Amino acid sequence: AQSVTQPDIHITVSEGASLELRCNYSYGATPYLFWYVQSPGQGLQLLLKYFSGDTLVQGIKGFEAEFKRSQSSFNLRKPSVHWSDAAEYFCAVGGPYTGTASKLTFGTGTRLQVTL
Amino acid sequence: GAGVSQTPSNKVTEKGKYVELRCDPISGHTALYWYRQSLGQGPEFLIYFQGTGAADDSGLPNDRFFAVRPEGSVSTLKIQRTERGDSAMYLCASSLSPGNSPLHFGNGTRLTVT
Repeated sequence: AQSVTQPDIHITVSEGASLELRCNYSYGATPYLFWYVQSPGQGLQLLLKYFSGDTLVQGIKGFEAEFKRSQSSFNLRKPSVHWSDAAEYFCAVGGPYTGTASKLTFGTGTRLQVTL
Repeated sequence: GAGVSQTPSNKVTEKGKYVELRCDPISGHTALYWYRQSLGQGPEFLIYFQGTGAADDSGLPNDRFFAVRPEGSVSTLKIQRTERGDSAMYLCASSLSPGNSPLHFGNGTRLTVT
């Protein structure tokens, strides 16, 4: 069965500092990987996705993520965090063996707090 | 354009009652998904539709949960004999196709069972 682990429940960074959110996955083949962001009381917004090809993926709002097959990881990064980035971040995995790339398994999330 | 719309945004009901949660997907999106998110957790898959039919309902927790999409657009998630453990955020998402199209989520319905 597929699974996603986000080891950090809560992270605090200062505005302007760099950010890395960790994600490890378990999947029996090449996965489809996603990062979503959720503001309080809101639905999820897609930040970026990896299906194949270049392992460094660029997303919206200045985020990027790197797929590392050898480490089963898909960490999210941003060089300079803004106060508006404070939210909950979810990593998710899907893929052809689930019947659809859109039947996703989510991690438990990392809550990002940004201090001014 | 309009995104995925879910109504109501909040629903409070008493234990044992029946509830319906509605999802209006993005126009033209053939695939529709329901997820449930408990407090402090990531969303968990419940069911997905391709057109009018439920292509995969393996995530529905028990037979009190049922979902329909009779005309291939709007979907309704129905919960019978609600229990306090059903309290959660119910998220709907749609995608252009069930292949590698990304999910577009609504803002969810927060269900509270008292």
